[in-house]
Amino acid sequence: DAKTTQPPSMDCAEGRAANLPCNHSTISGNEYVYWYRQIHSQGPQYIIHGLKNNETNEMASLIITEDRKSSTLILPHATLRDTAVYYCIVGHYAGGTSYGKLTFGQGTILTVHP
Amino acid sequence: GAGVSQTPSNKVTEKGKYVELRCDPISGHTALYWYRQSLGQGPEFLIYFQGTGAADDSGLPNDRFFAVRPEGSVSTLKIQRTERGDSAVYLCASSSKVNTEAFFGQGTRLTVV
Repeated sequence: DAKTTQPPSMDCAEGRAANLPCNHSTISGNEYVYWYRQIHSQGPQYIIHGLKNNETNEMASLIITEDRKSSTLILPHATLRDTAVYYCIVGHYAGGTSYGKLTFGQGTILTVHP
Repeated sequence: GAGVSQTPSNKVTEKGKYVELRCDPISGHTALYWYRQSLGQGPEFLIYFQGTGAADDSGLPNDRFFAVRPEGSVSTLKIQRTERGDSAVYLCASSSKVNTEAFFGQGTRLTVV
């Protein structure tokens, strides 16, 4: 699986948008970009994933560059409860018999402050 | 509805002892994953089950580690002759079909003293 690079930490003011970058320059054509987060003492939680189009759900938006070498996770209105480690993961999306185990890196520690 | 349940939540054992960690996936989920997370690190893949069979056990660190899922639901991670370096949080995840969103449990914190 392709390797990802994320900043080790970021700060964000409550109510503002949090923009978390991720570089994945070796991503292959059939690999997806996934984002998970892990709040202290909990298991990771799925946020969003995408292939090449921008995606939005109730939690966040995912912006993937046209060359797919980087992406940005956007939390539009960060709250204190969004303080967590955010992991950007590249892996194979599967239907049928193939699958993609998640290869977690170090992630970005996002701290949302009042 | 119930999420992924892991028991026990905490386990302290002496070096050299045998331990079993249990994972109850979300009902109907055919894929089940085990991960290990050391302090300050991201989770590290151990093994993946599709149904009853281990489809990928490439992450198991050595032959002291073994996992089973005999009926395609509950899974048990077994660690023989535990070492202090095995101390970590062991996470279980399940998904409804291959490689869709994975749902994680809260983990079992294993401490080997």
